[in-house]
Amino acid sequence: DVKVTQSSRYLVKRTGEKVFLECVQDMDHENMFWYRQDPGLGLRLIYFSYDVKMKEKGDIPEGYSVSREKKERFSLILESASTNQTSMYLCASKASPLHFGNGTRLTVT
Amino acid sequence: SQELEQSPQSLIVQEGKNLTINCTSSKTLYGLYWYKQKYGEGLIFLMMLQKGGEEKSHEKITAKLDEKKQQSSLHITASQPSHAGIYLCGADIRRKAGANNLFFGTGTRLTVIP
Repeated sequence: DVKVTQSSRYLVKRTGEKVFLECVQDMDHENMFWYRQDPGLGLRLIYFSYDVKMKEKGDIPEGYSVSREKKERFSLILESASTNQTSMYLCASKASPLHFGNGTRLTVT
Repeated sequence: SQELEQSPQSLIVQEGKNLTINCTSSKTLYGLYWYKQKYGEGLIFLMMLQKGGEEKSHEKITAKLDEKKQQSSLHITASQPSHAGIYLCGADIRRKAGANNLFFGTGTRLTVIP
């Protein structure tokens, strides 16, 4: 079974802090994705990566950056956290079908 | 996502009842995926449909993709409390070349009353 692991289930950060969300997959997948999930808006793609050091913007990249230094690890970075980035963040790998991690619920106060 | 309309937004049923959730797009669906999500957790893959008219079943859950490949339905027979959760459809609609083309509906929250 594919395993996608997100390092934290819950995070509470202060406005202006730099936040790192980590995601690791164990199946040597090339494609990895970061989504955020908000009530009434569903899942929205932030960034995705199709290879090491390669990245592409999704639908809502503003305020975020990503890092893919190794194939198994895809990090989402909030450069300066804001309250409107309070959300559920989901990492996924592969594409058909996507395999998701358990999510990180981030609260920015 | 505006690309995919999912209905209903929420559903409350008595245990043992059948129910249907729909996922509709104005564009052709090149791949349709159904996921289930327990509150506060990640998405669990249920089924994938790719061909027009395709139907798949797993235990008491059946998913269909219509012939025109623009609508899918998820049907649960004799619902149980274990079926409760949020059901999401995701679809590849080939919006533009080179970009990720997987979009998700906003989900249907299912409650099953024992």
